[in-house]
Amino acid sequence: GENVEQHPSTLSVQEGDSAVIKCTYSDSASNYFPWYKQELGKRPQLIIDIRSNVGEKKDQRIAVTLNKTAKHFSLHITETQPEDSAVYFCAARRGNKLVFGAGTILRVKS
Amino acid sequence: KAGVTQTPRYLIKTRGQQVTLSCSPISGHRSVSWYQQTPGQGLQFLFEYFSETQRNKGNFPGRFSGRQFSNSRSEMNVSTLELGDSALYLCASSFGLQETQYFGPGTRLLVL
Repeated sequence: GENVEQHPSTLSVQEGDSAVIKCTYSDSASNYFPWYKQELGKRPQLIIDIRSNVGEKKDQRIAVTLNKTAKHFSLHITETQPEDSAVYFCAARRGNKLVFGAGTILRVKS
Repeated sequence: KAGVTQTPRYLIKTRGQQVTLSCSPISGHRSVSWYQQTPGQGLQFLFEYFSETQRNKGNFPGRFSGRQFSNSRSEMNVSTLELGDSALYLCASSFGLQETQYFGPGTRLLVL
């Protein structure tokens, strides 16, 4: 089955700097890769997603890149703000099953 | 549109008891997935329902079961509770299978 590895497990950045979180998946048949943000005590919220026929997608300060050959995808957050502090989860879907990475705790220091 | 709702939000049970959690999807969504979230194991897939049929199942023991009703609302049941079942149980709804999933607030279950 699919396995998703996420790195780093924790990331501290200074406000205004960029943050990058990387995920690697094992099943080359996976075709959909969402990213979720979960603030303390709240539900995971979809922040951006990408499908396997696209290499990059941007939404304001957030971007996701996908390298199908290497089977990895990354979340890029530019100009980080304190409100970006949260746990970020990547996921990969093959068929009906969505498999999540272990999560990255992002701390933005002001 | 109202988001995904889950009831109850918090629950305390003792070992050996059983529990039923409920999930109401976003209006128009027909697929409901359930996940268990724990600090040690992260987000783990339990099962997915679409049109009242279980379409997919994760690697959990048979004590974990679920069902979906004709209005797409879903319930999950855990029988013979164990301490290790303490977790946040999240459901997520999507319009159909292989569509974007939107999460509910979760039910936090504590087993004593």
